[in-house]
Amino acid sequence: GAVVSQHPSRVICKSGTSVKIECRSLDFQATTMFWYRQFPKQSLMLMATSNEGSKATYEQGVEKDKFLINHASLTLSTLTVTSAHPEDSSFYICSAYRSRGVGTEAFFGQGTRLTVV
Amino acid sequence: GENVEQHPSTLSVQEGDSAVIKCTYSDSASNYFPWYKQELGKGPQLIIDIRSNVGEKKDQRIAVTLNKTAKHFSLHITETQPEDSAVYFCAATFDYKLSFGAGTTVTVRA
Repeated sequence: GAVVSQHPSRVICKSGTSVKIECRSLDFQATTMFWYRQFPKQSLMLMATSNEGSKATYEQGVEKDKFLINHASLTLSTLTVTSAHPEDSSFYICSAYRSRGVGTEAFFGQGTRLTVV
Repeated sequence: GENVEQHPSTLSVQEGDSAVIKCTYSDSASNYFPWYKQELGKGPQLIIDIRSNVGEKKDQRIAVTLNKTAKHFSLHITETQPEDSAVYFCAATFDYKLSFGAGTTVTVRA
């Protein structure tokens, strides 16, 4: 079963509004989560690293004020797309590492399809 | 930073045949190499991974090989089935920030 749960799976919003996407690690604690953006038929582009209890680290070119990240607990990170515009429409995916005896594994959420109209 | 190249970009195989996807990486410090399968509209699903201390790993019809000297790793799918059709991504990292290949669209013909 899924070890990282992401909600909502789909959301449509109007231009200028904000949208919050949740990413939860199930049955394990994740001090670090990652947020990706994926355009059609392209690979995953890392947007930011979400750190529990501290500020997120953003990749070059990603607007911090546009994409607000909050890692409020060891099992929850949220991405808020503020003042959304049509160009923000995309597939957003989160991931978290789960530690196991042989090391750690990176698991991804189901993704959120954001459409801004 | 790490740069991962993946080939081929598309792969069409007859059901029952094998599929091979190859990736190269640039950073010799990378020590974790996962492979993901992504179906349309869904998040990537971890299917197998390998660490730098082993050269090969197998899980049923899926196997991954790693050549640290040459800095390349490969995914092998044997006895392909229609449900294997998807986009496959390789990735590499040494610090938890995954660098992804561009992806391979695999189509299994019935």
